[in-house]
Amino acid sequence: EVQLVESGGGLVQPGGSLRLSCAASGFNFNKSWMTWVRQAPGKGLDWVANINDNGKQKYYVDSVKGRFTISRDNVRNSVYLQINTLRAEDTAVYYCARDSAYNRLDSWGQGTLVTVSS
Amino acid sequence: QSALTQPPSASGSPGQSVTISCTGTSSDIGAYDYVSWYQQHPGKAPKLIIYEVNKRPSGVPDRFSGSKSGNTASLTVSGLQSDDAADYHCASYAGSNRGVFGTGTKVTVL
Repeated sequence: EVQLVESGGGLVQPGGSLRLSCAASGFNFNKSWMTWVRQAPGKGLDWVANINDNGKQKYYVDSVKGRFTISRDNVRNSVYLQINTLRAEDTAVYYCARDSAYNRLDSWGQGTLVTVSS
Repeated sequence: QSALTQPPSASGSPGQSVTISCTGTSSDIGAYDYVSWYQQHPGKAPKLIIYEVNKRPSGVPDRFSGSKSGNTASLTVSGLQSDDAADYHCASYAGSNRGVFGTGTKVTVL
């Protein structure tokens, strides 16, 4: 059974940083693209970033370029999202998902909540 | 990378059908047959219900169907059931290994 478990969210002050983690199991992680998606309270889903199977290709939505960094560890079967210079508008539930082809997100974690507030 | 446009809400009575539209551009929906739809119940993670415009993952009832014409995709839920009350999100491949989501539609079963 495919499982994705996010962690690392919490309350952080504006300008702060967080590192989100997503632990994967139940599938061939090192052959899978992985994607981070976020959802602000009461809003729709936003595609944030993705990374290819070997970690050498990384793509970001324009609004987070330069502040967010996606990475992965194929030994630990984990994908990460480093979020710097946090802003109030980054407040959201962050989901990791497996991308099985061309943005087909067929498995999702339960999400981790990031709240940016002073 | 603007969000795809969906109506905020849709509704139908049990047994009826509801159709949700998702409008993009010639750079996303219009360019690729990689439209997907996700169902999300309150407080839960999204679940893939349609991919590649009209394909259903294993276990998704055939009451859910998808289509596309030009820059607009549609999801139809037939034979509405109470458990179909949820938020529905469309998404599309947007080229350059990126994706884009819709604004989301809340479906109410009357």
